[in-house]
Amino acid sequence: NAGVTQTPKFRVLKTGQSMTLLCAQDMNHEYMYWYRQDPGMGLRLIHYSVGEGTTAKGEVPDGYNVSRLKKQNFLLGLESAAPSQTSVYFCASSLDVQTGSNTGELFFGEGSRLTVL
Amino acid sequence: AQTVTQSQPEMSVQEAETVTLSCTYDTSESDYYLFWYKQPPSRQMILVIRQEAYKQQNATENRFSVNFQKAAKSFSLKISDSQLGDAAMYFCAYLRGGSNYKLTFGKGTLLTVNP
Repeated sequence: NAGVTQTPKFRVLKTGQSMTLLCAQDMNHEYMYWYRQDPGMGLRLIHYSVGEGTTAKGEVPDGYNVSRLKKQNFLLGLESAAPSQTSVYFCASSLDVQTGSNTGELFFGEGSRLTVL
Repeated sequence: AQTVTQSQPEMSVQEAETVTLSCTYDTSESDYYLFWYKQPPSRQMILVIRQEAYKQQNATENRFSVNFQKAAKSFSLKISDSQLGDAAMYFCAYLRGGSNYKLTFGKGTLLTVNP
């Protein structure tokens, strides 16, 4: 009963370093998302995917790249980390909007806290 | 662009009392969904309640209910018989119908429950 799993849960980087956050879901969801959460800002959409092999930019995509090579996985990459990318990152997934049982609900992972020094 | 506004950064309530969290939104769409998500200290985002815009009846889930005023673009959450476990950050969110990927969140309201 894993749902949405994010790894790692915590990471500290130095400015300029690169890293990848992995999101895996076992619910066969078509749609996957990466959000960042900052104090007083709510959750903001970074990138999303509407299916395997597809990605699209969200509200705050700069400095991030994503890939969806497999339906169950959605990777978020930081090529050259900056202190402004210190945040808590959430992955989420949902059913295809065309699915009859779709309620619009997003299923979230537990978050990954990233600190860039 | 759609916006979601939660005007109360923090709220507090006594255990067993009732509290209402406010949310307003701005949209020109007629087909949309509204949600309240709860984020306890564990950080896990949990769906509390959802409302389809085409439904006039207010959604209810046990002690949680909403007051959906479509014309006023208002979507408040009422928590009855508040419990210590209700303490969390609450986010209001908007989703345009037919597009299952542009969920817009408000900035959140931190709810404290006092024993």
